Amino acid sequence: EVQLMESGGGLVQPGGSLRLSCAASGFALSGYWMTWVRQAPGKGLEWVANIKQDGSAKYYVGSVRGRFTISRDNAKNSLFLQMNSLRAEDTALYYCVRDVSGWYGLWGRGTLVTVSS
Amino acid sequence: EIVMTQSPATLSVSPGDKAILSCRASQNVSSKLAWYQQKRGQAPRLLISAASTRATGIPTNFSASGSGTEFTLTIGSLQPGDFALYYCQQYQYWPPTFGQGTEVEI
Repeated sequence: EVQLMESGGGLVQPGGSLRLSCAASGFALSGYWMTWVRQAPGKGLEWVANIKQDGSAKYYVGSVRGRFTISRDNAKNSLFLQMNSLRAEDTALYYCVRDVSGWYGLWGRGTLVTVSS
Repeated sequence: EIVMTQSPATLSVSPGDKAILSCRASQNVSSKLAWYQQKRGQAPRLLISAASTRATGIPTNFSASGSGTEFTLTIGSLQPGDFALYYCQQYQYWPPTFGQGTEVEI
């Protein structure tokens, strides 16, 4: 079955760090740009970052640039998001998404990140 | 950043009704527009890409049109499972941006 499965979310204090993972199954991650999209509680969708198939290009939304790092391990069919200097406004459900020319045809179920003291 | 504005925020309809959802872009995004459905507690699901192309497995009850700055998603006859949140997203310009959503409710 083609699917994405996120993990690594949790409760963290402001200023702390978390590393999210996304395991792909049923397809080769190496064939796709991959993206992280987040959704704050009760809010809409926000694009966070994406990464090219071979990892040679990475892009971030302004609010996370310099604090978050997207990476991938194609051999392990996995995508990652290292999140540092976390803020309350980073609290959200983080989705791993398969990117096809800019639209998102496959979503994981999400992993919840809560930043609170 | 391109601002996507959806209207109405909430659409109150009955099963069997037709629903028409609108999405407006602050700049011309050509046909680089997608629509997603999100049910409570679930991840979004792609309905439409390239402004009017239904995704695999999406019933013909869903149709979409538009280009440039004005887009429409039409649900021909609402089924119980269609009551959900709907988002549009442009992917013409970086960063990709989503509308704030339209809730289709009974």
